[in-house]
Amino acid sequence: GNSVTQMEGPVTLSEEAFLTINCTYTATGYPSLFWYVQYPGEGLQLLLKATKADDKGSNKGFEATYRKETTSFHLEKGSVQVSDSAVYFCALYNNNDMRFGAGTRLTVKP
Amino acid sequence: DTEVTQTPKHLVMGMTNKKSLKCEQHMGHRAMYWYKQKAKKPPELMFVYSYEKLSINESVPSRFSPECPNSSLLNLHLHALQPEDSALYLCASSPLRQAIYEQYFGPGTRLTVT
Repeated sequence: GNSVTQMEGPVTLSEEAFLTINCTYTATGYPSLFWYVQYPGEGLQLLLKATKADDKGSNKGFEATYRKETTSFHLEKGSVQVSDSAVYFCALYNNNDMRFGAGTRLTVKP
Repeated sequence: DTEVTQTPKHLVMGMTNKKSLKCEQHMGHRAMYWYKQKAKKPPELMFVYSYEKLSINESVPSRFSPECPNSSLLNLHLHALQPEDSALYLCASSPLRQAIYEQYFGPGTRLTVT
């Protein structure tokens, strides 16, 4: 079946630090992969996506590369800001099935 | 307008009450969804409507009753809930059922069952 595993949080960083949130997946075939972000008190927003192997999704300074050989889609940002504090969800879509990871809470301190 | 609105923002109800959650979108999307999200957990899909017809019910108890009066509106009727049903209820919409990954989420209704 389809599943997503992402690193447990919480993650606490200082402003301008480098961010990596790990995500790996299990799926048959060729899933599409996504990162969603949920700010406090809000619903989820699509942050970036990649639909095939070696694609790189990017948005707002965040990047993630679809690695089929390692079944991974790690989220990175070179310099985080306080406003990036949120919960980040890795997700996949495959054969009409949408699955979310457990979420990773990021707190960025000034 | 790329917004999904949900009302109310917060709801407290007793186990014998009947209440409804409302969701609205004006993006012309033909698929709409209800999710349940417990604290520190990912959203769990409850119901999927495609072209105003229920296409997926993820084994949700009958005390939750969805309704899609038209292509812009989605309701979730609640009756005889249990305290463990307390959660954030998220509505989402996407252009088509097959494009669920392009879904837009509303801010959610935080439900507390006492």
